[in-house]
Amino acid sequence: GIQVEQSPPDLILQEGANSTLRCNFSDSVNNLQWFHQNPWGQLINLFYIPSGTKQNGRLSATTVATERYSLLYISSSQTTDSGVYFCAVFIQGAQKLVFGQGTRLTINP
Amino acid sequence: ETGVTQSPTHLIKTRGQQVTLRCSSQSGHNTVSWYQQALGQGPQFIFQYYREEENGRGNFPPRFSGLQFPNYSSELNVNALELDDSALYLCASSPPWSTGKEYFGPGTRLTVT
Repeated sequence: GIQVEQSPPDLILQEGANSTLRCNFSDSVNNLQWFHQNPWGQLINLFYIPSGTKQNGRLSATTVATERYSLLYISSSQTTDSGVYFCAVFIQGAQKLVFGQGTRLTINP
Repeated sequence: ETGVTQSPTHLIKTRGQQVTLRCSSQSGHNTVSWYQQALGQGPQFIFQYYREEENGRGNFPPRFSGLQFPNYSSELNVNALELDDSALYLCASSPPWSTGKEYFGPGTRLTVT
């Protein structure tokens, strides 16, 4: 089956720093989503981005489908950005999202 | 617009027991998927329901079963609970023609002792 790998597994930064999270996937996919999991476990949708670039405030994402990777950029990090970030790819035939293992981001004040 | 809701929030069960988790989909959404997230891992797909029928299933044994109701809400049932079933169970709903864009509920944390 398709493999989804995220890097780095852990990232610790000071408030105000910028960060780049990477998601590699092993096969063609129909779409890709980025999520932020808050401390209570809820997955918050950040981006639905099968290809191209999108921006939402301090966050932006780029997916290069032909090269099978996606990047999530966080600029001017705030402590509230802390948590686990997941990318997930949708497999049309199996009707499921396949998640990576996540990147745990810690922003220190 | 009400988002995806799940109940209960937390649950403690004993090995061998049965459990039912509930999910109400977001307004306008007709597809519901269930995921299991073990501690420190990414969510794993259990199954999806569309038009009250199972529409896809992950690598979970038959003791994991589900239902979808005419109002698109859903239940996840787990029989003969095992210690490894302890996890966060996430429900997600998606609108028609969404090509997999899913919206998640807050989850139910199940502990099996």
